Amino acid sequence: SQQGEEDPQALSIQEGENATMNCSYKTSINNLQWYRQNSGRGLVHLILIRSNEREKHSGRLRVTLDTSKKSSSLLITASRAADTASYFCSTGGGNKLTFGTGTQLKVEL
Amino acid sequence: DTGVSQDPRHKITKRGQNVTFRCDPISEHNRLYWYRQTLGQGPEFLTYFQNEAQLEKSRLLSDRFSAERPKGSFSTLEIQRTEQGDSAMYLCASSHGTGGRNEQYFGPGTRLTVT
Repeated sequence: SQQGEEDPQALSIQEGENATMNCSYKTSINNLQWYRQNSGRGLVHLILIRSNEREKHSGRLRVTLDTSKKSSSLLITASRAADTASYFCSTGGGNKLTFGTGTQLKVEL
Repeated sequence: DTGVSQDPRHKITKRGQNVTFRCDPISEHNRLYWYRQTLGQGPEFLTYFQNEAQLEKSRLLSDRFSAERPKGSFSTLEIQRTEQGDSAMYLCASSHGTGGRNEQYFGPGTRLTVT
């Protein structure tokens, strides 16, 4: 699998604001996945977007994929304190996943 | 479906001791994965199984590490002669592995501290 790198490394916003984080990767992909990890716990699968898709929605989440730029973005709308977590992107998924260091999102009340 | 479970959740051991962790995947999932995560880093792949066959191992998996999935259901990860550098969160994940359903679902992890 190809490594995804998340940007920014850290993001702090107020509750109710939108949060956008980005992911870049290096080689062609079949799909890209976003995961969330609350402090010291396992990862939760958020959304998978296939290489032939450009945008996908799931509740307050919106993911875009630009294969020409080898990048993806995750938008969380109307953020809540419970969204405070680390967010990781990963490409591939058939076998091993490869993760970057993630974006640490803090949503303050 | 109760999700992926791991046991124990926490393990403290002295350097040189052996430890074994268990992972129970989602019941209908064919594939099972082990990852290791250290503080401030993303998870790193260790190994994965398709049913009972171990199909890939990372170079991170030294000779002191061994993983098994004897009946294609639960899996164990054993670390022999633990070292302080083994301190990490060990994550297990499972997936269907067929029909394009490749999303991996993670367990809560086992946090290992080697003193």
